[in-house]
Order: sequence, then C-alpha cells, then structure tokens
Amino acid sequence: AQSVAQPEDQVNVAEGNPLTVKCTYSVSGNPYLFWYVQYPNRGLQFLLKYITGDNLVKGSYGFEAEFNKSQTSFHLKKPSALVSDSALYFCAVGYGGGSYIPTFGRGTSLIVHP
Amino acid sequence: GAGVSQSPSNKVTEKGKDVELRCDPISGHTALYWYRQSLGQGLEFLIYFQGNSAPDKSGLPSDRFSAERTGGSVSTLTIQRTQQEDSAVYLCASSSSTGFQETQYFGPGTRLLVL
Repeated sequence: AQSVAQPEDQVNVAEGNPLTVKCTYSVSGNPYLFWYVQYPNRGLQFLLKYITGDNLVKGSYGFEAEFNKSQTSFHLKKPSALVSDSALYFCAVGYGGGSYIPTFGRGTSLIVHP
Repeated sequence: GAGVSQSPSNKVTEKGKDVELRCDPISGHTALYWYRQSLGQGLEFLIYFQGNSAPDKSGLPSDRFSAERTGGSVSTLTIQRTQQEDSAVYLCASSSSTGFQETQYFGPGTRLLVL
C-alpha cells in the first residue's frame, strides 16, 4: 500500500520570504512523486514531478522540490514567496509497480501575506 | 490546445434525484480519472479508464455511483438517488498514457450540492 502525508493544513509566510510545504510518503517500491496546485474554484494544475535522476526537481512558477529517500520526503520550496502563490497544494505519490491510481495528500493551504 | 472540460460547473439537486456529470478529456489522452474532493478531505479516487480496458472501479463508494466512457473519449459519471453526503466537487483528469509517471491534467470540476 502507498500513502502520502501533508502534516500541515495551513502554512503562512510573508511575501518575499522562503516557503516550504511538507510532504512525506510511504511506498513499497521506487516512488513517483508529484506536486499540484489548486487555485480557488479551479482544477488542479501540475507543478513538478520526480521520477528518477537528480533529487532536486525544478518546476513551474519558480517552485522546486527535493526528493529525500532516507527521510521519505518530497518537500515543496520556493526561495521568495509571492501573494499570488496563495493556493491549495497537493502532494501525490505512486510507486509505479502496477497501480495506476495515484494517492493524494489532504492538501496544504498556503497563505502568503503582503 | 484545449484542456479538460467538465459540465456543468455547478449542480444543485434534491435528495433522491439522479445526476450526470460530464468530462471531456484532452484529445488523444487514453487515461481518464474521476476524483471527489470534499472539504478538508483531499482527493478521493473514484474510477479510472485506460483505453479499451475494463475500468478500475475500486474507488466508487457505493453502487449508486457509475461511470462510462464512450468511444475512448467523453466520460459521464452518474450518481443515482443522490444523498446529502454526495455533495462535493467532482474532478476529472486525463493523461496521455498509462503509468503513474504521466502527468494528470485536471478539469475545473463540477460542484455538486444535494439539498
């Protein structure tokens, strides 16, 4: 079985400060990891993914995430937050070993204050 | 190009009525997923279609829920005898092929309210 946890329901950060949205996972094989963002009244949009290779993955809108196998984490980061980054962020995991059904976290609401 | 579209965007219905929700995936995408998003509950997988293979219905919460995909393209999610607990946002996503390494492209969702 696979699972993903987003331990924070909400993250607050001031504009211009670095932000981190946390994600940890549990899979039985090699993890495939995704981050998606959801703006109000919109569907989810893809930000970035880790399949293999470099542990630091760069994605859309200046976001990046670091795959840490020993800590089973895939935290989302951005060096300088913008008010427009305020949204709901979802981490998703799949192990690619036969299941085509991804498991999503409960989501973390990011609020960037001016 | 065009993204995933869903209709209607909002649906209000009375308890006990049937509803149909439609999803138009990106042209050429063979995989299609339905999810349910309830407040504070994240995304709940409902059903998965891949090409002409039998769908994976393991996430459907009850036999009141069913879905079909015609011609490998448009999909309809049907909820019979709706209940208040069915109120949620129903999201559809498509991807270009099978395999979890593929990025999913989501539609804007249908917000269902059962009174």
